[in-house]
Amino acid sequence: EPEVTQTPSHQVTQMGQEVILRCVPISNHLYFYWYRQILGQKVEFLVSFYNNEISEKSEIFDDQFSVERPDGSNFTLKIRSTKLEDSAMYFCASSPGGSGRVSYNEQFFGPGTRLTVL
Amino acid sequence: AQSVTQLGSHVSVSEGALVLLRCNYSSSVPPYLFWYVQYPNQGLQLLLKYTSAATLVKGINDFEAEFKKSETSFHLTKPSAHMSDAAEYFCAVSKGFQKLVFGTGTRLLVSP
Repeated sequence: EPEVTQTPSHQVTQMGQEVILRCVPISNHLYFYWYRQILGQKVEFLVSFYNNEISEKSEIFDDQFSVERPDGSNFTLKIRSTKLEDSAMYFCASSPGGSGRVSYNEQFFGPGTRLTVL
Repeated sequence: AQSVTQLGSHVSVSEGALVLLRCNYSSSVPPYLFWYVQYPNQGLQLLLKYTSAATLVKGINDFEAEFKKSETSFHLTKPSAHMSDAAEYFCAVSKGFQKLVFGTGTRLLVSP
């Protein structure tokens, strides 16, 4: 069964460093998302991406964040200058899109990348 | 703006007992509603979804949920709890392909 994959599973970085979190969405999916979950808290939306551009972003997604789909298979989240409060689990998700299919708006989640900022 | 409220951060049941996890939503348009489960140190797995078809939705592992527009609720139930059901459960709402808005989650504890 196709699944969303994310690398690395755990990333440790120093405050102020740049990190890139990588995701491989399910093939042929059209919508891509990043969410984060700070330890013990709820899952929060960061950004959605469709047709090679950001379709929606939250107030969390400020100028230090960026997303890219560099090669048609990977979907990356970059944090330019990490802060202590960026420590969280980051989830990538993808959705089939299209019309006429039962599960077209269902979001499939990857296993997450745990980011620890020291 | 859409939102969901999950009543009870923790719910404890005995193995074999009925599971009831509550979710109320707020939406200005007909919503799509979802229940996700998160096992320790794992990602989010879809249990079931409501997308304006049948109001009673059946999901995996014998879970089901009923959409009640008059009560703006989408409570999750399972007739008989199993030890393996112990996990965090999240209710979420969305509009079409837009972001999922999650509730704060309910941790289900199952005792022998």
